[in-house]
Amino acid sequence: NAGVTQTPKFQVLKTGQSMTLQCAQDMNHNSMYWYRQDPGMGLRLIYYSASEGTTDKGEVPNGYNVSRLNKREFSLRLESAAPSQTSVYFCASGDNSYNSPLHFGNGTRLTVT
Amino acid sequence: AQTVTQSQPEMSVQEAETVTLSCTYDTSENNYYLFWYKQPPSRQMILVIRQEAYKQQNATENRFSVNFQKAAKSFSLKISDSQLGDTAMYFCAFMKNGQKVTFGTGTKLQVIP
Repeated sequence: NAGVTQTPKFQVLKTGQSMTLQCAQDMNHNSMYWYRQDPGMGLRLIYYSASEGTTDKGEVPNGYNVSRLNKREFSLRLESAAPSQTSVYFCASGDNSYNSPLHFGNGTRLTVT
Repeated sequence: AQTVTQSQPEMSVQEAETVTLSCTYDTSENNYYLFWYKQPPSRQMILVIRQEAYKQQNATENRFSVNFQKAAKSFSLKISDSQLGDTAMYFCAFMKNGQKVTFGTGTKLQVIP
């Protein structure tokens, strides 16, 4: 029972490099999210996908792109990494019922030097 | 846009004592859900408790209970008989329409032996 699987767990990039964070869920959830967590800032929404084929910007989308490849997978891409993108990234999924909490992956710690 | 405010960045409590973490939110919605999540040092996000806005009765989960004051837009978490394993970051979260979830900035709780 994997739940939400995020890869990689850790990553170090140099400024200007690109990378894709992968996320997959096996709970048949419609909605998927990408958050970043920074000290004192809580979890801030980067992008959100209500269902397969749809994506919406969240609070801090600049510098990121997403792809909802299918119902299971939702990837986050950094095209040209910047030190300000150093953070812990969380993928989450949920269904659209009112009482459904989010299920989270274990996070990716990204450092951009 | 909904906002969630946690005004206590850090708190501490003696083991076996009771502690209350505060959370306020701002919304014009009438139907919504509120959650408390716990994030221990392992970084995993764990659902602690949930509350439906249309229910007047406060939710309870073992040692965890909430004080939900809808008119005041307040949603505090009470932890009774605090245990060392309760040491973690605690995040308050607001969800409307079963979709976008907004988090507060978190409260770091330290349980002292």
